[in-house]
Amino acid sequence: GQSLEQPSEVTAVEGAIVQINCTYQTSGFYGLSWYQQHDGGAPTFLSYNALDGLEETGRFSSFLSRSDSYGYLLLQELQMKDSASYFCAVYPDTGRRALTFGSGTRLQVQP
Amino acid sequence: DARVTQTPRHKVTEMGQEVTMRCQPILGHNTVFWYRQTMMQGLELLAYFRNRAPLDDSGMPKDRFSAEMPDATLATLKIQPSEPRDSAVYFCASALTTQPRIRAHYNEQFFGPGTRLTVL
Repeated sequence: GQSLEQPSEVTAVEGAIVQINCTYQTSGFYGLSWYQQHDGGAPTFLSYNALDGLEETGRFSSFLSRSDSYGYLLLQELQMKDSASYFCAVYPDTGRRALTFGSGTRLQVQP
Repeated sequence: DARVTQTPRHKVTEMGQEVTMRCQPILGHNTVFWYRQTMMQGLELLAYFRNRAPLDDSGMPKDRFSAEMPDATLATLKIQPSEPRDSAVYFCASALTTQPRIRAHYNEQFFGPGTRLTVL
């Protein structure tokens, strides 16, 4: 099966940089994704890492290390609108072929 | 602009009643997912279809839940009879997976606004 662990909450100030970690236990997967969800809203796709390394998309970057069973989402130049929940997800290469989501990290950006 | 739509947005019903939720995927997307989100369980996959064929519904309680795609523009999720423990937000998502070997297609899913279901 798949198991993804994330911190439940992270707090940071506007303009800062924050890293949200995701550690996983899974037999194999095709990639690690990140989704953002504002309160009362729907999850929105942010990024996808198929290979080890860093993927950058504007203020957001995502990193994957398969050897360490670890990934993270890096948010730079934090803005108040970044306050939301962030989910990591994996697409396994065996068994149930569908995204499995972590429990989510609630990011609170303070002025 | 292209987006997934879901109806109703909110539903309050009494235990034992039938509930039907509808989803219109993004035009051209061939894969549709149904998720349920609660505070306790997080985001759970209930079922998904590709090219209207059900691929996996192992996440659904089959005695009361059913999911169908009558056509490429409509997916439905039914609960009969509903129970208070079914109270949750139900999301539909769609993706374009014409080339299943490109796993990125499965990772980028577009979610609808959700149906908030309350069963009293």
